[in-house]
Amino acid sequence: AQTVTQSQPEMSVQEAETVTLSCTYDTSESNYYLFWYKQPPSRQMILVIRQEAYKQQNATENRFSVNFQKAAKSFSLKISDSQLGDTAMYFCAFSATYKYIFGTGTRLKVLA
Amino acid sequence: DTGVSQDPRHKITKRGQNVTFRCDPISEHNRLYWYRQTLGQGPEFLTYFQNEAQLEKSRLLSDRFSAERPKGSFSTLEIQRTEQGDSAMYLCASSIDEGNSPLHFGNGTRLTVT
Repeated sequence: AQTVTQSQPEMSVQEAETVTLSCTYDTSESNYYLFWYKQPPSRQMILVIRQEAYKQQNATENRFSVNFQKAAKSFSLKISDSQLGDTAMYFCAFSATYKYIFGTGTRLKVLA
Repeated sequence: DTGVSQDPRHKITKRGQNVTFRCDPISEHNRLYWYRQTLGQGPEFLTYFQNEAQLEKSRLLSDRFSAERPKGSFSTLEIQRTEQGDSAMYLCASSIDEGNSPLHFGNGTRLTVT
């Protein structure tokens, strides 16, 4: 069975600084997708970034980038130039078929 | 794209009562999911529909839970004889039927069982 582990329950970062959120996963599948979702307080969950396992190049979306290490089964999210609006729960997710498995989340607080 | 909508946003019920939640996915999305999220946890998979067919149901879904998606459009999730342990956020998500398309989530229905 696939599992997703986020070992940092809470993190904080100063505005304009860079922060990295960790995620590891376990699977025997060779082809799959990894995602980072953001859930702001009392608001809906939205996709931040997606990585396809067969692509070696790390995905980037503006200030958000990932460090995908397939052999280590690691998928970390780097947020550059952190903004107050980045304050949210961040969930790492794995999908090999139609089912998406989520981690327990990391609560990120951006400090002014 | 009007997004995924869920109704109601909040539901407070007494133990033993039945509740029903509704989800309207994005219109062109074939796939529809229900997830449950408790405080401090990530979303847990409950069930999955492809069009009107319910293709998978988690072991988390006891016999008191039932979900439908008539005509492959909106979906309902019913919980019979609610228990305090059912208190959670119930999330609906949808996606197009293509590979590992990203999920689009609704705002969720927060259920409190007293």
